Amino acid sequence: DQQVKQNSPSLSVQEGRISILNCDYTNSMFDYFLWYKKYPAEGPTFLISISSIKDKNEDGRFTVFLNKSAKHLSLHIVPSQPGDSAVYFCAAASGGSYIPTFGRGTSLIVHP
Amino acid sequence: EPEVTQTPSHQVTQMGQEVILRCVPISNHLYFYWYRQILGQKVEFLVSFYNNEISEKSEIFDDQFSVERPDGSNFTLKIRSTKLEDSAMYFCATTRDTSTDTQYFGPGTRLTVL
Repeated sequence: DQQVKQNSPSLSVQEGRISILNCDYTNSMFDYFLWYKKYPAEGPTFLISISSIKDKNEDGRFTVFLNKSAKHLSLHIVPSQPGDSAVYFCAAASGGSYIPTFGRGTSLIVHP
Repeated sequence: EPEVTQTPSHQVTQMGQEVILRCVPISNHLYFYWYRQILGQKVEFLVSFYNNEISEKSEIFDDQFSVERPDGSNFTLKIRSTKLEDSAMYFCATTRDTSTDTQYFGPGTRLTVL
C-alpha cells in the first residue's frame, strides 16, 4: 500500500542546473508534506515542508510546490550543487499528527 | 548543534535472540519515535512515545516489540525474539513537541538477523 509514491528511484543532474524531484500521494486526508534528505550512514534530515493551505514554500535554493487537485508535490533545487547528492524522501502526514508516511526515496546525483 | 545518537551502529544477532537498540535523544526533547527501513524499502513508522507512554504505534509494532525510557535519558527499542525479517535500519527520532515539524533523526542502527 503505497500512499506516498516517488516513481523515480534516481535522478542525475549537472551542477548549476535545476533538480526536480517528484512525489505523488493517494490519501486525500494528508494535509502536511515534508521532504527529508539522507546521506549514507546518516539518518534522514528535515529539509522543507508545506501545509495544504499553501501551494508553494521556499527556503533558499529549495522550493516545494503542492498541487492538491493532482495530489502531487515536487521539490526544486536551484542551483544544484554536488553536496546535494543524497537520497530525498517525500513524506506526508494528516490529522494534526506529525508522524509522516514516507515514500521510497529518490537518489539524486549532482555531477560537477 | 545537538544531535540524536544511537548505539550500536551495527548489531548482528541470531534468530530468536533478544536485542535492545539504544537512543539518546536531544536533551530538551519530549517526544520520541522509532522508525525502521528494510533495505531498498521506505522508512516506516513503528512507535511514538511521550511522558513514559506509547502515544501511537503502527501495525508493525506487535507484541515482540517494546519501548521504554529506563533511566530518563536513554530511549530503547527491544525486540524480544528476532526474526529474519526484522533485519533493517532502525532510526530513532525526537522532537521538542508535536507542534513542530522537525523530527531530528539519529544515524540509525543496522540490525542483521542471521
